[in-house]
Amino acid sequence: DAGVTQSPTHLIKTRGQQVTLRCSPISGHKSVSWYQQVLGQGPQFIFQYYEKEERGRGNFPDRFSARQFPNYSSELNVNALLLGDSALYLCASSLDPRNSPLHFGNGTRLTVT
Amino acid sequence: RKEVEQDPGPFNVPEGATVAFNCTYSNSASQSFFWYRQDCRKEPKLLMSVYSSGNEDGRFTAQLNRASQYISLLIRDSKLSDSATYLCVVNESGGSYIPTFGRGTSLIVHP
Repeated sequence: DAGVTQSPTHLIKTRGQQVTLRCSPISGHKSVSWYQQVLGQGPQFIFQYYEKEERGRGNFPDRFSARQFPNYSSELNVNALLLGDSALYLCASSLDPRNSPLHFGNGTRLTVT
Repeated sequence: RKEVEQDPGPFNVPEGATVAFNCTYSNSASQSFFWYRQDCRKEPKLLMSVYSSGNEDGRFTAQLNRASQYISLLIRDSKLSDSATYLCVVNESGGSYIPTFGRGTSLIVHP
């Protein structure tokens, strides 16, 4: 069975640009979460979707948005990129956000110059 | 105060040593707990869930202390391949269930 897949793997953007990151969950998983991880820190929660509804939002500015599609895949959008947005963006899926572990994709490494 | 706290280390131990990590959490209503392993520049991978009664998986033992609000991970007979960052995860409850990560504890096992 395929795991969580994310695309693209790497991305280089310039300040002010916009980026869209994509994620396909494990088949049967209805919850998708997005995390941002910078070097030396644990993953920071950005969004959680369950059954196509936003169930949680972390402490990120409105430049960050996301959505979940009917097939449970998800996109994370970041507008007006800043240098500080450079990070590893991780998508994770789970069966049930209440008690199931997260399964991560390989991540998208975003570099903003 | 950070919701989930871990000693970042690094813990530098010889092969064969026993090493333990703790992770404290602030939300007493937290419901589920996990340990993840993360290798350099890779995604976190589930190591084990943490159950109230404690659980063991080979050389790894996880425990939960609800009264003191911490979870622990014990690694026995450390291998070189155990070198990684170990992240604790706490599912915060109260309306939404958001898995919150600690910053991770770095383990280096040397020959």
